[in-house]
Amino acid sequence: EDQVTQSPEALRLQEGESSSLNCSYTVSGLRGLFWYRQDPGKGPEFLFTLYSAGEEKEKERLKATLTKKESFLHITAPKPEDSATYLCAVQYDYKLSFGAGTTVTVRA
Amino acid sequence: SQTIHQWPATLVQPVGSPLSLECTVEGTSNPNLYWYRQAAGRGLQLLFYSVGIGQISSEVPQNLSASRPQDRQFILSSKKLLLSDSGFYLCAWMRTGINEKLFFGSGTQLSVL
Repeated sequence: EDQVTQSPEALRLQEGESSSLNCSYTVSGLRGLFWYRQDPGKGPEFLFTLYSAGEEKEKERLKATLTKKESFLHITAPKPEDSATYLCAVQYDYKLSFGAGTTVTVRA
Repeated sequence: SQTIHQWPATLVQPVGSPLSLECTVEGTSNPNLYWYRQAAGRGLQLLFYSVGIGQISSEVPQNLSASRPQDRQFILSSKKLLLSDSGFYLCAWMRTGINEKLFFGSGTQLSVL
C-alpha cells in the first residue's frame, strides 16, 4: 500500500534556528513529490514539486530535496512567519496522497 | 488566471440533516476535480475525484457522495450527516500536463452536532 510518513509531528524553533523536516514514502510509479504549506483554517498552498532523485528546489528560506525513498524540507534561519503546517504528498496516477504534516512553530 | 471558489466557509449542521458543499473553478476547462477531508490534527484524506462531467471515483466508502453536473462544478453531498462527518473539507483542481499541480480552495469547516 502506498504510504507517506512525515516526521517530526511538531517542531518548535527559535528564530534563526535552521532545521529539516522529513517525508518518507513508499509508492510505485512516483510521478512527483509535492510540498505544501498550510496555515490554520486555510487550504494548503503549493510550494514545490520534485520529480527525480537528486533534484533540489528553493524558495526564500525553504529548500526541498529528494532521494529515492524520502524528501527533506530544509528551513534556513526561519522567521515567525514561517510558522505553519508543512504537508508532503506523492502523486500516483492523477491523485495525491498526503502525509499527516509537520507543524512548525518559530518563536521570536 | 485560474481560481477556485468553495463555499460556505463554515457550517454547523445537526446529525441527520442533509449536506451540500459546492466548488467551482474558473479560468480552465476540463479540470480534474477533488474533494479531500482533513480531520483535526490529521492529514488530508482523498474522498472523491473526477476527470470529467458525470465521472466520479470514490476513494473511501462512506456516508458522502459527489457529483459533477458541469465541467467546472463539483458538489459534495450527504442525505443524513453523522457526527463522524465533522471536519475540514477541501476542494481542489489539478493542472494536468507538464508540471502538474494541485490547487486548493479555501475550505469548509463542517461541525456536525
